[in-house]
Amino acid sequence: DSGVTQTPKHLITATGQRVTLRCSPRSGDLSVYWYQQSLDQGLQFLIQYYNGEERAKGNILERFSAQQFPDLHSELNLSSLELGDSALYFCASSVAPQSNQPQHFGDGTRLSIL
Amino acid sequence: GESVGLHLPTLSVQEGDNSIINCAYSNSASDYFIWYKQESGKGPQFIIDIRSNMDKRQGQRVTVLLNKTVKHLSLQIAATQPGDSAVYFCAENSKSGGGADGLTFGKGTHLIIQP
Repeated sequence: DSGVTQTPKHLITATGQRVTLRCSPRSGDLSVYWYQQSLDQGLQFLIQYYNGEERAKGNILERFSAQQFPDLHSELNLSSLELGDSALYFCASSVAPQSNQPQHFGDGTRLSIL
Repeated sequence: GESVGLHLPTLSVQEGDNSIINCAYSNSASDYFIWYKQESGKGPQFIIDIRSNMDKRQGQRVTVLLNKTVKHLSLQIAATQPGDSAVYFCAENSKSGGGADGLTFGKGTHLIIQP
């Protein structure tokens, strides 16, 4: 158990809809990362937050957004969903935001778009 | 494009043998590398990491080797056990590309343990 908690584990919805994925980082970790895992793209970094502020952006679509709250949990919002958004979405956390810190992953949310 | 990649999609080894999983990276600015293990239905699990100022690091039954000259990373698993069956990913981090602190992952190697 990594200590990173993600909810829900599974989500099924339709095209055009909006969903929110939730992540609680490990106790003591201040930085949260979101990743997308799909068969064709593999594991791709989306966005990073540190102490409530956006710190880095990766391959995140404009339809997607995230935030980190004062209690350090984070939410990833996906809107105007398309079939291609079906994937596993992982949250990871680290103690500090620097590039040489290990990131620990949750077990993900599996998003299926029908 | 992808800056971290793996040589083999599948590796089959006998239980009790040593496993070696390889990874090539192309970004010479990468300064931190991690190996992850991902089992079916789970998230990537941290195995071991290494910084670019080292060329070898050992953990419990695992060793990571880093060759910066040829930009190559390997994970050695000693006395492979059935529980080692999983997909293994190498990942790198660097401050190039706008200062992103997200990891760049390779495509993964599926390690299969034969009884």
